[in-house]
Amino acid sequence: AQSVAQPEDQVNVAEGNPLTVKCTYSVSGNPYLFWYVQYPNRGLQFLLKYITGDNLVKGSYGFEAEFNKSQTSFHLKKPSALVSDSALYFCALISSGSARQLTFGSGTQLTVLP
Amino acid sequence: SQTIHQWPATLVQPVGSPLSLECTVEGTSNPNLYWYRQAAGRGLQLLFYSVGIGQISSEVPQNLSASRPQDRQFILSSKKLLLSDSGFYLCAWSARNRANSPLHFGNGTRLTVT
Repeated sequence: AQSVAQPEDQVNVAEGNPLTVKCTYSVSGNPYLFWYVQYPNRGLQFLLKYITGDNLVKGSYGFEAEFNKSQTSFHLKKPSALVSDSALYFCALISSGSARQLTFGSGTQLTVLP
Repeated sequence: SQTIHQWPATLVQPVGSPLSLECTVEGTSNPNLYWYRQAAGRGLQLLFYSVGIGQISSEVPQNLSASRPQDRQFILSSKKLLLSDSGFYLCAWSARNRANSPLHFGNGTRLTVT
């Protein structure tokens, strides 16, 4: 069985500061990892994914994530946070099942303070 | 480009009434289709997924059912709604036979059962 953990329910950061949203995972075999963002009353938007190759993955809106196999982590980062980055962030792990079911973390609410 | 449409955006229904939520995808063929429910603005629960017309897999036994009458149409239904059916329902699609393809979500339907 696979699982995804987002240890922080809430992350607060000042505008202009770097931000990190943490994600750890557990899976047998090689993981496919994803980050999504959700704004209020909207669906999830895909930000970035790790499949293989370079451990640093760049995505939309200036976000990036670092895959660390030894620590089984896939933390989301951004060098300089914007107030508009305030949203709910989900980490997700692909299942080995035939329908490719994603396993989602519980979400982290990011608030960027002006 | 591919788009996903979900309607209605909001719905208020009395207990015991029927439900029909519709989702359609444009710009792609043979997608995998998914219904998720999000409770309390956080965790995502996979309800149903489909890999083809008439092929529905249920993840959680419940008061809901799903159907896929056409390749790019996915319908979530209930004969009699319960109070516990309230939530935010999200439809999503992914490319079939591409293990690293992310899910793409609709904007969701906010269902309130009164």
